[in-house]
Amino acid sequence: GAVVSQHPSWVICKSGTSVKIECRSLDFQATTMFWYRQFPKQSLMLMATSNEGSKATYEQGVEKDKFLINHASLTLSTLTVTSAHPEDSSFYICSARGGAEFYEQYFGPGTRLTVT
Amino acid sequence: GQNIDQPTEMTATEGAIVQINCTYQTSGFNGLFWYQQHAGEAPTFLSYNVLDGLEEKGRFSSFLSRSKGYSYLLLKELQMKDSASYLCAVVDSNYQLIWGAGTKLIIKP
Repeated sequence: GAVVSQHPSWVICKSGTSVKIECRSLDFQATTMFWYRQFPKQSLMLMATSNEGSKATYEQGVEKDKFLINHASLTLSTLTVTSAHPEDSSFYICSARGGAEFYEQYFGPGTRLTVT
Repeated sequence: GQNIDQPTEMTATEGAIVQINCTYQTSGFNGLFWYQQHAGEAPTFLSYNVLDGLEEKGRFSSFLSRSKGYSYLLLKELQMKDSASYLCAVVDSNYQLIWGAGTKLIIKP
């Protein structure tokens, strides 16, 4: 149980375009979802926290107009990188909370974004 | 501020034992996680400690001392596949995960 999926697993896009990444909790209702970014050889950096039906809470330094997060249902959250630039190239990972153990986050497999 | 410290990198030999330490200073404490992350993959759950003491799970054990703000992950009978980064994360008073920078473990034959 407690499986989280992400789609796509990797994407290459041109600079200036927008990319949408989906995060789904497959067998539980995720009351809270988290979006992380990880640059090579660095630890996870929390970008934002989203609760179903409400606006996401962004971490300091994360542009909310650039990284649009929607958590429209208890099983789906999306992250849209708008007007992507090469410096946005990173590994984006979502996690969801709301399984049997409320304190534990279940991670998706990640999405590798490359902006050319 | 909130702070979690782990060694940046450790090297060990296949078949040996290695201990990865984690010290923390956080606003409140509601448990400590250890995750394993292979390069290019998402973290996978290893252990969760909320009470003092040692939790053993196969070749991996995790220890917690809340009074000392200290935890360690012990890996026994090391295998080459254990080469990965090991992330320590603390659940603070708001039930948010505070992440350490991770320890890269290199296993040599």
